[in-house]
Amino acid sequence: GENVEQHPSTLSVQEGDSAVIKCTYSDSASNYFPWYKQELGKGPQLIIDIRSNVGEKKDQRIAVTLNKTAKHFSLHITETQPEDSAVYFCALTQGGSEKLVFGKGTKLTVNP
Amino acid sequence: DTAVSQTPKYLVTQMGNDKSIKCEQNLGHDTMYWYKQDSKKFLKIMFSYNNKELIINETVPNRFSPKSPDKAHLNLHINSLELGDSAVYFCASSQGTWGYTFGSGTRLTVV
Repeated sequence: GENVEQHPSTLSVQEGDSAVIKCTYSDSASNYFPWYKQELGKGPQLIIDIRSNVGEKKDQRIAVTLNKTAKHFSLHITETQPEDSAVYFCALTQGGSEKLVFGKGTKLTVNP
Repeated sequence: DTAVSQTPKYLVTQMGNDKSIKCEQNLGHDTMYWYKQDSKKFLKIMFSYNNKELIINETVPNRFSPKSPDKAHLNLHINSLELGDSAVYFCASSQGTWGYTFGSGTRLTVV
């Protein structure tokens, strides 16, 4: 089945710095790439997504980039704040399937 | 209004018991899912239903039986609970791959 490699597994930054999380995949049929934020005791919450016909998407301090040739996509958070601290998951679906395959998560800690 | 709601939030039960988790979505989505999150936070799909029909069954033991009475509800019944079933179970819904939304989870502890 499809594997999604997510790095790093933990990331600690100072408030105001940028954070970048990267995911790589192997199946070129993958066509939808969402990112989820999971806070303690809560369900994963969609924060941004990108589809395979787009290279970059931005929403305020959050951006996602997709490199289909190299088969990787990344989450960029600028001007980090303590409330950005959470576990972030990348995910993807393959062509024709609605099943989400998740990366193993990145625990982001933003230190005040 | 909660988009995807599941109950109960916590469930503690003894090995061998049978339990159910309920899920409802008010988003009008056609597809609903159950995902399992283990102690290492790894999220993996178990089942998906599209308009009450089973679409995906990911090698889950047949002690787990999903039931979808209508497209807004997907319940999960688990027979003969085992220690290894302890996890957080998430319900989700989507319209194709649009609007993929998760519930807040049910933490199941088998003792």
